[in-house]
Amino acid sequence: AQTVTQSQPEMSVQEAETVTLSCTYDTSESDYYLFWYKQPPSRQMILVIRQEAYKQQNATENRFSVNFQKAAKSFSLKISDSQLGDAAMYFCAYRRGRLSSGSARQLTFGSGTQLTVLP
Amino acid sequence: DAGVIQSPRHEVTEMGQEVTLRCKPISGHNSLFWYRQTMMRGLELLIYFNNNVPIDDSGMPEDRFSAKMPNASFSTLKIQPSEPRDSAVYFCASSGTGAPSYGYTFGSGTRLTVV
Repeated sequence: AQTVTQSQPEMSVQEAETVTLSCTYDTSESDYYLFWYKQPPSRQMILVIRQEAYKQQNATENRFSVNFQKAAKSFSLKISDSQLGDAAMYFCAYRRGRLSSGSARQLTFGSGTQLTVLP
Repeated sequence: DAGVIQSPRHEVTEMGQEVTLRCKPISGHNSLFWYRQTMMRGLELLIYFNNNVPIDDSGMPEDRFSAKMPNASFSTLKIQPSEPRDSAVYFCASSGTGAPSYGYTFGSGTRLTVV
């Protein structure tokens, strides 16, 4: 079974600074997708960024970027120029790809990292 | 599109009562997922449907929980009888076939409190 580990329950960052959230995962599959979701106090789950395992290039979405290290099974999220609105719980998630065996299409989540942005 | 719509947003009920949570997925999405979020256990998959058919219900905690998807635009999660340990936020999410890399779209969740 796949597992996703977020070893930092809480992080804080000064406004306008950069912060990196860590995520590691365990899988025997070669075809999969990785995601970061944000959950603000409103509790809405918002997709921040995604990465296809077959792509070597790291995904980037505006101030958000990832460092995907496939061999190390590491998928960290970097938030640049942090803003007060970035304060939220961040979840790393894994999903099997279509080429993987089995029918599992569900997302497996890590335990989350609570990010505080200090003004 | 209005996104994934869940109702009610909040539900408070007494132990032993039946609770029904509702979900309307995004039109055209063929996979629907029910998750439960608690402080202790994080986000857990309860059940998921593909083309209205339950594919994996191994996450359903016990027989008190049941889920249905009578058509492509509606699903329910029922708890009967409810217990205080069922208190949690329940999310519904949907996904299309076009691109698994696009993950899911989540509803706003239902916060269930069983007293």
